[in-house]
Amino acid sequence: GAVVSQHPSRVICKSGTSVKIECRSLDFQATTMFWYRQFPKQSLMLMATSNEGSKATYEQGVEKDKFLINHASLTLSTLTVTSAHPEDSSFYICSAQGQNNYGYTFGSGTRLTVV
Amino acid sequence: DAKTTQPPSMDCAEGRAANLPCNHSTISGNEYVYWYRQIHSQGPQYIIHGLKNNETNEMASLIITEDRKSSTLILPHATLRDTAVYYCIVSARAGANNLFFGTGTRLTVIP
Repeated sequence: GAVVSQHPSRVICKSGTSVKIECRSLDFQATTMFWYRQFPKQSLMLMATSNEGSKATYEQGVEKDKFLINHASLTLSTLTVTSAHPEDSSFYICSAQGQNNYGYTFGSGTRLTVV
Repeated sequence: DAKTTQPPSMDCAEGRAANLPCNHSTISGNEYVYWYRQIHSQGPQYIIHGLKNNETNEMASLIITEDRKSSTLILPHATLRDTAVYYCIVSARAGANNLFFGTGTRLTVIP
């Protein structure tokens, strides 16, 4: 079945630094990937849609200059949280469309803690 | 995307069937009903989806009413590992739209 690998699983960084999160489709090509953010006891909130070879589409209220998305190949999308602040601490999750063309496969998530 | 309404929480005894309801009264004709679940601190896991007909797979059954305004996810024999937040989502064909998650139902399976 379709597998999406997300790394790192957890990261702690200092305020003001940048953190890169990788999302890879292991056994299929994904022209579109999605990035979500989830705060404690809340649901997943879509941040942006990552399109291979073109600019990402950001949801309203998500700063594109702060959350840089790069989708340079059909199997890799990266999310870089720039100049991280404690309020950026959250659970970040990526997803991609599976091979069966009806279900989305999600990564295991990245727990970001900014101190 | 059509909005869904789910009860915030439910309990189920281990070994019993868990029936999770979802209302989607504004669903469009081309929108599917998807169910995902999220176990604590993990990414969501696909369970099942359907358009009009009832569906069954190795994980669960999905019952969709004839008017498509509501559906029920059935876990036939709940285990402790089924404790999770279950999300009901309606969306058009995958790949054409994103998935927007509501608040879901927190299912607790009790020993």
